Amino acid sequence: DQQVKQNSPSLSVQEGRISILNCDYTNSMFDYFLWYKKYPAEGPTFLISISSIKDKNEDGRFTVFLNKSAKHLSLHIVPSQPGDSAVYFCAASAPLVRDYGKLTFGQGTILTVHP
Amino acid sequence: DGGITQSPKYLFRKEGQNVTLSCEQNLNHDAMYWYRQDPGQGLRLIYYSQIVNDFQKGDIAEGYSVSREKKESFPLTVTSAQKNPTAFYLCASTPPPDRDNQPQHFGDGTRLSIL
Repeated sequence: DQQVKQNSPSLSVQEGRISILNCDYTNSMFDYFLWYKKYPAEGPTFLISISSIKDKNEDGRFTVFLNKSAKHLSLHIVPSQPGDSAVYFCAASAPLVRDYGKLTFGQGTILTVHP
Repeated sequence: DGGITQSPKYLFRKEGQNVTLSCEQNLNHDAMYWYRQDPGQGLRLIYYSQIVNDFQKGDIAEGYSVSREKKESFPLTVTSAQKNPTAFYLCASTPPPDRDNQPQHFGDGTRLSIL
């Protein structure tokens, strides 16, 4: 039962354009969502997060949008740079005190930004 | 600098052998996690620990064991009962919850291969 899904295995974008990575979830208890970036043979690096009380969060070139009614979130990267080429994972957690911090991850989307 | 150290980077195991992966953190985080990543898949939770001397099974705990004798250390043992141990293993930690959610921080992973 895949509670967090990234339906696009890969995305190719031209440098300077916008990259949009999508993520869907099924568990309505999720209230905290994160995006991680991962290079091969390295651990994921935290990029940006959003709480369910918000619908948008920005950090520099990165913006995360949350549509709770659709159970959908997206990560926008503007402008895209070749160094953004990596695997991007979305993740979600539910507000269980006992299991704080426990994340459920999507399958990942490979982003390639062409010069 | 504070961080999470996983060792070794690469590990080889003969069939039928147990092997232990090390994870140490100096971030003073209470909670620690072990994930497994397979090609084309997201991170799947193996075990997690919210406090010393306590740990919980994740989604794919069969064939694995852990201990949490010290706050800084959360070693993972891949036993001979794990039928498909070849994977990339990631350790993570997170600070205790306060007013806001906190993201998990990851080590750089250990790649385990069966000879």
